[in-house]
Amino acid sequence: KNQVEQSPQSLIILEGKNCTLQCNYTVSPFSNLRWYKQDTGRGPVSLTIMTFSENTKSNGRYTATLDADTKQSSLHITASQLSDSASYICVVSGLFSGGYNKLIFGAGTRLAVHP
Amino acid sequence: GAGVSQSPRYKVTKRGQDVALRCDPISGHVSLYWYRQALGQGPEFLTYFNYEAQQDKSGLPNDRFSAERPEGSISTLTIQRTEQRDSAMYRCASSLMAETGRLNTGELFFGEGSRLTVL
Repeated sequence: KNQVEQSPQSLIILEGKNCTLQCNYTVSPFSNLRWYKQDTGRGPVSLTIMTFSENTKSNGRYTATLDADTKQSSLHITASQLSDSASYICVVSGLFSGGYNKLIFGAGTRLAVHP
Repeated sequence: GAGVSQSPRYKVTKRGQDVALRCDPISGHVSLYWYRQALGQGPEFLTYFNYEAQQDKSGLPNDRFSAERPEGSISTLTIQRTEQRDSAMYRCASSLMAETGRLNTGELFFGEGSRLTVL
């Protein structure tokens, strides 16, 4: 079954600290992996998109890594800010029959950054 | 338009009523997705359009749910004979490119959602 599992479910860190969020998936065949940030009550906003040939991609203080062999990805946030408090959702795109990609969402990690 | 627009933003209805949720994607975007999101959960795929063609409707929970995109732009998600378990945030997203091929990394843009409450 094609699944995307994220850990931890929730995380609390102090402002200025770093943190790493994990995403494991079983989607096959794999097309790409995306990380989204979702503020409370808002729609998800894209942070990074990586294809199977990419190992790492950065967007400011956000760095995503991908290991397509072990089917794992991580999102590292450096020097966290209060505005980083949000849900972070891992989305894996799998190439399905008919030649189109289907997006499978993880349940997200809820990050709270405290002063 | 500048972004993905959804209406209504909030809808309260009585059990048994039909509701129609509208999504106006970014102009020129080929792909359009509908998702449903329960509180504290990630989005759950409902259906996907490539232009006006409904490529995948495997996520629609049952036959009370239907969606259309007749001219390849605006889409409507219709829920007939609503039930309390249908209460959720319904989100629409669009992408410039069709979601095909392993190298496609078309960015997905989400709307603000339609919050449906069935009493």
